Amino acid sequence: EPEVTQTPSHQVTQMGQEVILRCVPISNHLYFYWYRQILGQKVEFLVSFYNNEISEKSEIFDDQFSVERPDGSNFTLKIRSTKLEDSAMYFCASSERASGTDTQYFGPGTRLTVL
Amino acid sequence: AQKVTQAQTEISVVEKEDVTLDCVYETRDTTYYLFWYKQPPSGELVFLIRRNSFDEQNEISGRYSWNFQKSTSSFNFTITASQVVDSAVYFCALSEGPGTYKYIFGTGTRLKVLA
Repeated sequence: EPEVTQTPSHQVTQMGQEVILRCVPISNHLYFYWYRQILGQKVEFLVSFYNNEISEKSEIFDDQFSVERPDGSNFTLKIRSTKLEDSAMYFCASSERASGTDTQYFGPGTRLTVL
Repeated sequence: AQKVTQAQTEISVVEKEDVTLDCVYETRDTTYYLFWYKQPPSGELVFLIRRNSFDEQNEISGRYSWNFQKSTSSFNFTITASQVVDSAVYFCALSEGPGTYKYIFGTGTRLKVLA
C-alpha cells in the first residue's frame, strides 16, 4: 500500500541552525501538508501546498519557515534559524484532492530536537 | 471558531472491555468532515475513519464503531473487546473544507489497555 515517507526520522540541531525536513508524498497525490506536534500536545496545522504554491498557512508558519517541491517526488520544510521551541515532531501529509473532500495520509514523522 | 474537544485525557481498561472515546466539535459550517486517527507508541498517525456532515449513519469496522450525532455535535469512537494492541493516543479531527485545507485536531485521548 502506498505511504508517505519522511527523512530523517530524528534530527538534532543547534539553535540558530537551518534544517530541512524531507517528505515523499504518495505518488498520485496533489495536495501536501506539514503539521507539527510538540511533545505530548495536539497536532497543529502549519501549511498546505498545491500546484507549487502555498494554499493555506497558520500563524505558526512565519518567515522562518518555507516549503518547496524541488522535484517531482520530494516535498520539503525548511526552518531557517531554529529556536528551542521548534522542537517537535513534524508530520508530512498528502491527499489526492483538497482537504475538505479527501483524507490526508500522514507520514511517520521527523522528530526535531533543537539544543 | 472551529474547535475539537476530547475531554478524556487518559483512559485505562482491562483487555476485552469495551471503551468509548468522546469527541465534541464546534463549527459554523454546514459542510464539514470528521476524522479519527490513531497514534501508536511508534509515533505515526494512522487514519481510521472519515465522516462527512451529511452522513449521520453509524459505522462499524470490525471491533471499531463510530457514532456521529449532529444534534449533540459529537463523533464518538467505541472499541469493542479491547486488546493490548489498541493502546495508543487517539485523535479526533475536524475539517471545514472545501475552501480550507487544514485539519483541526483535538488534544487526544491516551488509551491504555491492560492485559
